[in-house]
Amino acid sequence: DVKVTQSSRYLVKRTGEKVFLECVQDMDHENMFWYRQDPGLGLRLIYFSYDVKMKEKGDIPEGYSVSREKKERFSLILESASTNQTSMYLCASSLSPDYNSPLHFGNGTRLTVT
Amino acid sequence: AQTVTQSQPEMSVQEAETVTLSCTYDTSENNYYLFWYKQPPSRQMILVIRQEAYKQQNATENRFSVNFQKAAKSFSLKISDSQLGDTAMYFCAFMRTGGGADGLTFGKGTHLIIQP
Repeated sequence: DVKVTQSSRYLVKRTGEKVFLECVQDMDHENMFWYRQDPGLGLRLIYFSYDVKMKEKGDIPEGYSVSREKKERFSLILESASTNQTSMYLCASSLSPDYNSPLHFGNGTRLTVT
Repeated sequence: AQTVTQSQPEMSVQEAETVTLSCTYDTSENNYYLFWYKQPPSRQMILVIRQEAYKQQNATENRFSVNFQKAAKSFSLKISDSQLGDTAMYFCAFMRTGGGADGLTFGKGTHLIIQP
């Protein structure tokens, strides 16, 4: 089974801090995603990566950046955390370079910015 | 860009009943994929069922089946003999072929509660 591991389940940070959310997948997947999940808004894509060092902006990239230096690891960075970034963050990966394979998700990180 | 609409924010049924969750989508694409994902209280999102648009036959996975109406752009999920463990958020998702950051779109979700 594919395993997607997010480094933290819960995280509390202060406004203005630089925050790193880490995600690792163990199945050599090409594609990796970072989503933000808020009640009533569903899942919104922050960033997508289709290969090492390659990335595309999603629907809500403002205030975020990403890093993919190795195929198995995709990091989400909040350069200067703000309270409106308090949310659930989900990492996912998928196999096919044709993008039509289903996503495998991590357990999520609930981030609170105070 | 495509849109996915789940018109039922929350549903509640008794255990063992059959329940149908609705999903409609809007796209100009002809080839695409549709998915239902389940997110239980434990939070990990898992794939429930998948449908290829070029297949007319509706997908089934044990107690889960879909009613895919391509012309109507409708993709509903039927859960038969519902169980307490089916309590979860359910998300409908559309994926166009060719991918890219805008290739996959999720609906806002339906919170399904199975009552004992």
